[in-house]
This record gives sequence, C-alpha cells and structure tokens, in this order.
Amino acid sequence: GQQVMQIPQYQHVQEGEDFTTYCNSSTTLSNIQWYKQRPGGHPVFLIQLVKSGEVKKQKRLTFQFGEAKKNSSLHITATQTTDVGTYFCAGPGGYSTLTFGKGTMLLVSP
Amino acid sequence: EAGVAQSPRYKIIEKRQSVAFWCNPISGHATLYWYQQILGQGPKLLIQFQNNGVVDDSQLPKDRFSAERLKGVDSTLKIQPAKLEDSAVYLCASSLGAGGRGDTQYFGPGTRLTVL
Repeated sequence: GQQVMQIPQYQHVQEGEDFTTYCNSSTTLSNIQWYKQRPGGHPVFLIQLVKSGEVKKQKRLTFQFGEAKKNSSLHITATQTTDVGTYFCAGPGGYSTLTFGKGTMLLVSP
Repeated sequence: EAGVAQSPRYKIIEKRQSVAFWCNPISGHATLYWYQQILGQGPKLLIQFQNNGVVDDSQLPKDRFSAERLKGVDSTLKIQPAKLEDSAVYLCASSLGAGGRGDTQYFGPGTRLTVL
C-alpha cells in the first residue's frame, strides 16, 4: 500500500505564530485526508482533498494538494492554544483503506 | 447522533494473558475499522469490515489477534496471548459507505492497553 511521510515530527510555536505541516508520498495519491488528534483524544476528520492543486480553507486552516498529487500541506495562520494536538495526513492504502502518516505534533505556548 | 462507543477505556494485563475489546459503531454505518496506535505513531489499520465481511486484514497478526463483527453491527477484537509490544491504544472507527475516497471515518475514544 501507499506510504505517506510527514514533516516535521514536532513543532513548538508561540501563540499567534503560523504553523505548517507537510505530507509527502512517492506515488500519486487519488485523495488525501487530514485528521487532528488532541492529547489523550482520538483522531477527528478535518478535510479531504481530491483534485490536483486543490486548496481548501477552514477558518485559519488552509489545506493544499500538490499539482502532482504527491504532496499536501496544512497551514495554520495565527495559532491559538486550542490548535494543540497531532495532525495526521492519510492516503489510500489497499482496496478502500487509509494509511496514516506518523503525524506532526503541534505545541502552542501562550 | 451517538458516536462510536468502545469499552473498556483502559486495560492492564500481564503478558500471555488474553484481552478483548468491544466496539459499537455509529448506527447505520456499513464499514468498521480496528486500528492500533502505538505512542508517537499514526493509527495502523488492523482489520476492516464491510457489514459482517472482512475487507482487509493484511496487517492483523493472525497468530494472536482475532476479530469478528457478527450481524454486521458490533465488533470485538481479541488478543490471545498478549505480548509486551501489544501495548497501544486500540481505536475503532466506522464509516457510512464502503470506505476509501469520500468516506469519512469517525473514531471512537479508544482502549488504552498496557501489557506488563
């Protein structure tokens, strides 16, 4: 199945700073999903990207899917303490499964 | 709408013992997934059911893990016997459709297993 790599593994920012996490695949992805997991919580679906070059926004979060559909990014503008958590990208695995990246842990200091 | 329910929330056992986890998906969801999440890593799919049939169990260690979804609703995941490396959070998720593109997965709170 597909493998997706995420960088960075960890980032610590001051509240108000921006944050970006990147997801890369060696093969073309038909779609990519993003999830957020709060500390001690479970993954929660954020968004799915399907089209080449697609950009979607959710308030301060901007999601992009690369033109070649091999990479994706999540950018948070002006982070808040409520943004703390681990952000995972997930690409297609086998028949109809998902393969999750290792995630980027975001820590926001007030 | 009720979410995915899992029990127990926490379990501590000794190696070589057996343990079972239970999951009740969102009502009407056809597909049910069991994931293993080791600390610091992303969820790894163990098994995926569509209704009561297995779609993918390629990463399930079948010598010690088993899962069933009788009647296409609730599911149980069993480990027998447990090893130290099985310490992880076991997440259950469900989705409305057949999985894959366009089918959002909803996760339960997970069961944290510690094997001593």
